[in-house]
Amino acid sequence: SQQGEEDPQALSIQEGENATMNCSYKTSINNLQWYRQNSGRGLVHLILIRSNEREKHSGRLRVTLDTSKKSSSLLITASRAADTASYFCATADTGGFKTIFGAGTRLFVKA
Amino acid sequence: NAGVMQNPRHLVRRRGQEARLRCSPMKGHSHVYWYRQLPEEGLKFMVYLQKENIIDESGMPKERFSAEFPKEGPSILRIQQVVRGDSAAYFCASSPETRRPTDTQYFGPGTRLTVL
Repeated sequence: SQQGEEDPQALSIQEGENATMNCSYKTSINNLQWYRQNSGRGLVHLILIRSNEREKHSGRLRVTLDTSKKSSSLLITASRAADTASYFCATADTGGFKTIFGAGTRLFVKA
Repeated sequence: NAGVMQNPRHLVRRRGQEARLRCSPMKGHSHVYWYRQLPEEGLKFMVYLQKENIIDESGMPKERFSAEFPKEGPSILRIQQVVRGDSAAYFCASSPETRRPTDTQYFGPGTRLTVL
């Protein structure tokens, strides 16, 4: 079964608002990553947070990780129309070599 | 430094034909991963390869699918006797030799396979 599950499945907001997406996973992880995918394109890596980190920032992105709850959140502040995309969390387990993706959150930012 | 390259970007095959998808990793990368994405879904891991070795193929269907990453040249994902259910976007990713395999992967633009 999929390791990461994103919530919500879809999110529609106005430009300038903040967007929060959540991800839950099932097993112990080495790290958790967030990716963005524009329609019909490949994935762009946004941010990686390791299992011993609790929060990480990159520009307008803020990622938190709670390993006790096996969950992560991605916050995009002051959203822009160009942020419209699908966002995926991906986990790498402690023992394996593969990255497991969730089904994604589809974010639509209205101008 | 060119990114991960995949070709073709779009591939149309009739049922029963073979599909060959190519992936050239970023320069200096020796780990290659293949993923499949069905419409409106996330990416599903298929196989992880290093040069001349298959490390993990737990996501590969048991029949008709094979992958290789030769010493020279791109990685190839081969699908024999394609069926309509094989229609999907196939993404390749690579990561550097010096990193752990589970660190950041860099994705190619994908190959969109359509089986008629």
